[in-house]
Amino acid sequence: NAGVTQTPKFQVLKTGQSMTLQCAQDMNHEYMSWYRQDPGMGLRLIHYSVGAGITDQGEVPNGYNVSRSTTEDFPLRLLSAAPSQTSVYFCASRLRPSGQETQYFGPGTRLLVL
Amino acid sequence: LAKTTQPISMDSYEGQEVNITCSHNNIATNDYITWYQQFPSQGPRFIIQGYKTKVTNEVASLFIPADRKSSTLSLPRVSLSDTAVYYCLVDRYGSGNTGKLIFGQGTTLQVKP
Repeated sequence: NAGVTQTPKFQVLKTGQSMTLQCAQDMNHEYMSWYRQDPGMGLRLIHYSVGAGITDQGEVPNGYNVSRSTTEDFPLRLLSAAPSQTSVYFCASRLRPSGQETQYFGPGTRLLVL
Repeated sequence: LAKTTQPISMDSYEGQEVNITCSHNNIATNDYITWYQQFPSQGPRFIIQGYKTKVTNEVASLFIPADRKSSTLSLPRVSLSDTAVYYCLVDRYGSGNTGKLIFGQGTTLQVKP
């Protein structure tokens, strides 16, 4: 298993541009989520999904959209990039939403918005 | 979910035992205490989880008192490679759980030679 994969690893955007951060998992996990981590800070939950076709907002959802059309993929879309969205983005998945299941994280995408 | 509070940073030396305490005063009956570790430029990884008393694995031990309002992560004989950020989280069991994991700032552990 490849686990949780994220692409790209690094991206530079100009203010106002849009882009999609890709996340995929091959473990047949129901639950997937996106976090952002600003320098020297903890992780903040952006959006999450408990299964295909179901998404919900986390702590900091503004400026981001998600969809979950398949179990495997959970892309994060930046609608109009702003410098405040400069961060490292982590995708994570767990087998089920229950706390009994360990959450696995991807390697992250570093995003710089100029 | 119960909010957790832990020290922002800790320093230690190689070979010492490190104890990181986390408070979670509003923990619910079906909440478990979970710790994650994050190395620089990597995503967090699970290290240990417990409900009460003591849990031990190959990486760490977790001590939880009877009232469950706090927990202590114990790392025996740390090495330089244990330098990382350690997050204490409350994770809810059971059906109907949204699965959300809320991370705080974590504790930055710096191990010195």
